[in-house]
Amino acid sequence: EDKVVQSPLSLVVHEGDTVTLNCSYEVTNFRSLLWYKQEKKAPTFLFMLTSSGIEKKSGRLSSILDKKELFSILNITATQTGDSAIYLCAVEDYNNNDMRFGAGTRLTVKP
Amino acid sequence: DSGVTQTPKHLITATGQRVTLRCSPRSGDLSVYWYQQSLDQGLQFLIQYYNGEERAKGNILERFSAQQFPDLHSELNLSSLELGDSALYFCASSPYRTATAEAFFGQGTRLTVV
Repeated sequence: EDKVVQSPLSLVVHEGDTVTLNCSYEVTNFRSLLWYKQEKKAPTFLFMLTSSGIEKKSGRLSSILDKKELFSILNITATQTGDSAIYLCAVEDYNNNDMRFGAGTRLTVKP
Repeated sequence: DSGVTQTPKHLITATGQRVTLRCSPRSGDLSVYWYQQSLDQGLQFLIQYYNGEERAKGNILERFSAQQFPDLHSELNLSSLELGDSALYFCASSPYRTATAEAFFGQGTRLTVV
């Protein structure tokens, strides 16, 4: 069965720290991997990754995919309190067009 | 504001009942996705419609059904409700056909089954 595992489940850091969030997956027919940020309610899209080794970057956030080792990382540098959220990873299986989400990483950034 | 509108915001109903959740996508978006988020199951993809046609199906129960209308709004119908159906139901939309395209989420409908 397709599986997406995120680690750590929870992380507390101080402003200015750099964090790395992990997402590993077991999907039979991988199409793409997505990262979302969920604050109070609705998730917001961060990145979509389809190719290995190509870093996607947006401000202080960046992400990369390793299709050989079946994982992705999301980096956040110089963290701010506004980065506090749950970060979700999702993977699509192109064979059945299903999307699987990980349980998320709850990031808390303290002032 | 993502531009995706979901109604109602909150819904409380009894077991065995049927409810309809409504979603209006962003202007011009052809795809609508439905998701369920509960404390024990996390976020789960239910179903996607693209331009009126079912495009992808996830972990959707047989008691649940959805449709997308010619004006592109979508409805998720939940019937024979059980306590375990209590969850936050999200709708998202995108202009793309694929399931994992960049999608914009509505604020969700919180369903409580008592």
